[in-house]
Amino acid sequence: DAKTTQPNSMESNEEEPVHLPCNHSTISGTDYIHWYRQLPSQGPEYVIHGLTSNVNNRMASLAIAEDRKSSTLILHRATLRDAAVYYCILGEDDKIIFGKGTRLHILP
Amino acid sequence: GAVVSQHPSRVICKSGTSVKIECRSLDFQATTMFWYRQFPKQSLMLMATSNEGSKATYEQGVEKDKFLINHASLTLSTLTVTSAHPEDSSFYICSAAPLPTAETQYFGPGTRLLVL
Repeated sequence: DAKTTQPNSMESNEEEPVHLPCNHSTISGTDYIHWYRQLPSQGPEYVIHGLTSNVNNRMASLAIAEDRKSSTLILHRATLRDAAVYYCILGEDDKIIFGKGTRLHILP
Repeated sequence: GAVVSQHPSRVICKSGTSVKIECRSLDFQATTMFWYRQFPKQSLMLMATSNEGSKATYEQGVEKDKFLINHASLTLSTLTVTSAHPEDSSFYICSAAPLPTAETQYFGPGTRLLVL
């Protein structure tokens, strides 16, 4: 199974950029890189996904390494509402298998 | 767009009773839906894949006779926890995939089950 490695937790100050890393050294050529986040007591929320090129949307940016063995989710200006667990997931058939994710704490 | 709802949002039941949880895709059709369970301070654990018009596929270690899944239409999947016990108390979350290859899944808000 393709797997990802993320730091257990990170802290960031409010209104500053946040870079959430993810390692996926066993990624296959067809695996998409997905990011979801889960706010407390809610279901996960789609953030962004990509294959090879960097991606931007209204929520975040995804920077993918040239060898695709790592990626970084970038929140450009963190707010208190961005405090959540962020999951980096590789596309695996049609199933999403969640790892432990990174718990992001935002300091006011 | 792409909204998934769950009903009920929370339920309390007595041990030995059965509980049905509904998952609906409100603005798209979903050929595939997924059911997850999440215990406090843990990650989501995939329980089963629900395919419209066919039997669900259960993950290893998940009892299919205890967790009955029905996906009778392209917008509705149900999970029934039969003969619930306190250890079944958990946060149950469904997701729906609008595309066959599930490039993106959309998650419901979750159902918190407490079995007394």
